[in-house]
Amino acid sequence: GQTIDQPTEMTATEGAIVQINCTYQTSGFNGLFWYQQHAGEAPTFLSYNVLDGLEEKGRFSSFLSRSKGYSYLLLKELQMKDSASYLCACMDSNYQLIWGAGTKLIIKP
Amino acid sequence: NAGVTQTPKFRVLKTGQSMTLLCAQDMNHEYMYWYRQDPGMGLRLIHYSVGEGTTAKGEVPDGYNVSRLKKQNFLLGLESAAPSQTSVYFCASSHVPDRSDEQFFGPGTRLTVL
Repeated sequence: GQTIDQPTEMTATEGAIVQINCTYQTSGFNGLFWYQQHAGEAPTFLSYNVLDGLEEKGRFSSFLSRSKGYSYLLLKELQMKDSASYLCACMDSNYQLIWGAGTKLIIKP
Repeated sequence: NAGVTQTPKFRVLKTGQSMTLLCAQDMNHEYMYWYRQDPGMGLRLIHYSVGEGTTAKGEVPDGYNVSRLKKQNFLLGLESAAPSQTSVYFCASSHVPDRSDEQFFGPGTRLTVL
């Protein structure tokens, strides 16, 4: 079966750095997405990786290792507004997204 | 541009009742999707459409039907609602999903079936 695993919940301090991990096993691979979802709202796109390595976008970076089936999302200089769930999703061989259950990130002052 | 809109935002049904959820997008996207989101689980694909007049089953299609008569609209129907269909329903749209094309989501419909 196809699986996406990520931690259920993480806690971090305002101003700090946090890394959210995602491991995956899918039938085929056409890239990995990270989305942010605030409570009660829709998911919004953060990043996309298809090649190994780090993609940086402001305070957020995403890393991919295809050989290890592993990705992480790195958030720097955490702000209270970063409190949200972070969803990892893989695009399989049919170009459909397989979603993880999400990681709820709690930011403390 | 409104992006992706969904109606209604909230709904309470009794077991056995029927309803239709409407999704509309103004981005001229070919692909449209219906997902459900339940606590502790990832988004699960119910049905999707690759273009006007076409629909296909996703991971959890049972108990739902869909129609895409116009490119901008994608309807999700529940013929006889069951408590197991209590969930948050998201519609999304995208260009032809050639790798990096992201999906754009509507605000969601919170459905409770009693």
